[in-house]
Amino acid sequence: SQTIHQWPATLVQPVGSPLSLECTVEGTSNPNLYWYRQAAGRGLQLLFYSVGIGQISSEVPQNLSASRPQDRQFILSSKKLLLSDSGFYLCAWSGLAANEQFFGPGTRLTVL
Amino acid sequence: AQSVTQPDIHITVSEGASLELRCNYSYGATPYLFWYVQSPGQGLQLLLKYFSGDTLVQGIKGFEAEFKRSQSSFNLRKPSVHWSDAAEYFCAVGAGRGTNAGKSTFGDGTTLTVKP
Repeated sequence: SQTIHQWPATLVQPVGSPLSLECTVEGTSNPNLYWYRQAAGRGLQLLFYSVGIGQISSEVPQNLSASRPQDRQFILSSKKLLLSDSGFYLCAWSGLAANEQFFGPGTRLTVL
Repeated sequence: AQSVTQPDIHITVSEGASLELRCNYSYGATPYLFWYVQSPGQGLQLLLKYFSGDTLVQGIKGFEAEFKRSQSSFNLRKPSVHWSDAAEYFCAVGAGRGTNAGKSTFGDGTTLTVKP
């Protein structure tokens, strides 16, 4: 069966510090991968999606970047965090046949 | 462009009462529609999905949803709510197959509170 992991689960970082969040998927090949941000009491905002290694599409202009160095690994990064980067970050994957998304447990990021 | 509207930000129901969460979508082709549930501090879990065929779809945890093309709606229902159903519910419309498969647009969510 397929599983998706995210780490860390929680993170508190000072403004201006770098960021690296990691997401890995097991049990499937060639998944589409997604990074979402969920602000408190809000819906999901799609940040990035990837259909293959090294292929990244950015949905909104922002302080963040994403990379996909391996087929089942998706990384969200920032060189300098802003207060507005605080939120709940969710990674998800989908397959070409199924269409629905499968979500990881999320990372709670607080920027102080 | 596709969009999803969940008109109710917050709904409170008593345990054992029936539930209906509303969802309206805008999409130019035959939609792929989903309902997800999110418990506090957790990721989202798929409740049910509609691609084609029977417009009444059954999901997990006793939920069902009905696709009404004429109303552009995909409302979620449950005949008898349990306290464990308290969570946030998201409706989503999918982009279809191929490269954009799985790239969904989500509504802003409805928070369900269940009174004892």
